Amino acid sequence: DTAVSQTPKYLVTQMGNDKSIKCEQNLGHDTMYWYKQDSKKFLKIMFSYNNKELIINETVPNRFSPKSPDKAHLNLHINSLELGDSAVYFCASSQPALEQETQYFGPGTRLLVL
Amino acid sequence: AQSVTQLDSHVSVSEGTPVLLRCNYSSSYSPSLFWYVQHPNKGLQLLLKYTSAATLVKGINGFEAEFKKSETSFHLTKPSAHMSDAAEYFCVVSDRRGYQKVTFGTGTKLQVIP
Repeated sequence: DTAVSQTPKYLVTQMGNDKSIKCEQNLGHDTMYWYKQDSKKFLKIMFSYNNKELIINETVPNRFSPKSPDKAHLNLHINSLELGDSAVYFCASSQPALEQETQYFGPGTRLLVL
Repeated sequence: AQSVTQLDSHVSVSEGTPVLLRCNYSSSYSPSLFWYVQHPNKGLQLLLKYTSAATLVKGINGFEAEFKKSETSFHLTKPSAHMSDAAEYFCVVSDRRGYQKVTFGTGTKLQVIP
C-alpha cells in the first residue's frame, strides 16, 4: 500500500526530448507538491497544487508544466529537456487543513539528461 | 520570510556514541519544524515534528529534538548511533500560514563508523 507513488523510478533521455513524470497519492490529501533535488542533495520546491489548483510556483522555467487531473494525481511534464534538468524529482502530499500537517514523499524519480 | 541552516554538512560518529545534528531556523511566524531522513537512493521519511505542543519531541528510531525558541534551534539527537542511522538528514521549517510552504535545510550527512 504505497502512500505516494511515482513513475518512472528512473528516466534517461536525450537533450531536447519531452518527458512526463507521474505521481499518485492514496492518502486522501488535498495538496500535492513537486520538489527538485540537485546533485548536492539540496531540495527545492517547484510547485504546489491544492484541490487541482496551482498555489505555489517557485520561479520554475515554463518548460515545466504540472498537471493535476484530480486531487490524487499531480503529473510533471518537461519540454525540451536540458542537461541541468538532471536531478531527482520528488512528489509529496499533505493535508493543510490539519495544523500538524506533514508532507509524505514519494520514492523519487531519477532523471538523467544526456 | 523563513530560512533554515544546518550547521554541519557532514557528521561522523562511532557506533554506540551520541549523535547531534544541528539546525537553526528563522521565521516571521510561529513555525512548524521537521526532521526528515533520506537513506541512499531512497525517498524522504519523517523522523519527527514540532508544531507548538511539547518542546521536546520524540521521533522514530530513538531520535528526539528540542525546540528552543530563545536560540531559534531545533537540534536532532540520539543517545546511541546505530549503523543503520547512516543517511542524509534534513531540517525543515514551515510557516503554517494558510497553505503550507516549507523550506529545506541543505542536509547533514551522518556517517557511522563501526
